[in-house]
Amino acid sequence: QSVLTQPPSTSGTPGQRVIISCSGSRSNIGSKNVFWYQQVPGTAPKLLIYKNDQRPSGVPDRFSGSKSGTSASLAISGLRSEDEADYYCAAWDVRLHSRLFGGGTKLTVL
Amino acid sequence: EVQLVESGGGLVQPGGCLRLSCAASGFTFNTYTMNWVRQAPGKGLEWISSISHNDYFIYYSDLVKGRFTVSRDNAKNSLYLQMNSLRAEDTAIYYCVREDDESFDFWGQGTLVTVSS
Repeated sequence: QSVLTQPPSTSGTPGQRVIISCSGSRSNIGSKNVFWYQQVPGTAPKLLIYKNDQRPSGVPDRFSGSKSGTSASLAISGLRSEDEADYYCAAWDVRLHSRLFGGGTKLTVL
Repeated sequence: EVQLVESGGGLVQPGGCLRLSCAASGFTFNTYTMNWVRQAPGKGLEWISSISHNDYFIYYSDLVKGRFTVSRDNAKNSLYLQMNSLRAEDTAIYYCVREDDESFDFWGQGTLVTVSS
């Protein structure tokens, strides 16, 4: 069971907007930056969002991140079939001295 | 082009040991913190260890502390993970990951470690 809690799955239809949540605590999300990674099955993960709400170059602006208190969210608008993947949140935990990943959310595009 | 190529995975018996390597290219290796992250079959990502650019700061997950040792050779642009006392639950794909200002910005393709008798 992960310290960072994500819903195991979510789904949407093309063009729709979906939001994936990530819940933590004061020792991780509450005091450190949140990162989001996308993993298409069979491939290595890819950095999607860094420092809560920043997009690396090449990541479409359909992807956005936010953080409030001890929770963070990843929003995907204008859903496309190629967005079907697993999404992971991550943050450093100052109490555990460890990098934590959420359990991952499988996004299905119907 | 940044490249991270892991090697050294394979089948090992419980209690055995294995040494993973990661060959880095396309960037100034000796200025980056590097990490190992693993993923058990059908499961999520799990951070294992990090090592700062100059070896000064080394961290381990509680799951592997005392059994795994991370090291690097900046002259060879290489990262290593010595894994001892392996258990079935260590079975996973092991990824070598570059860290840039807290972001895990480049990932290798991974090497599979299977612990089984």
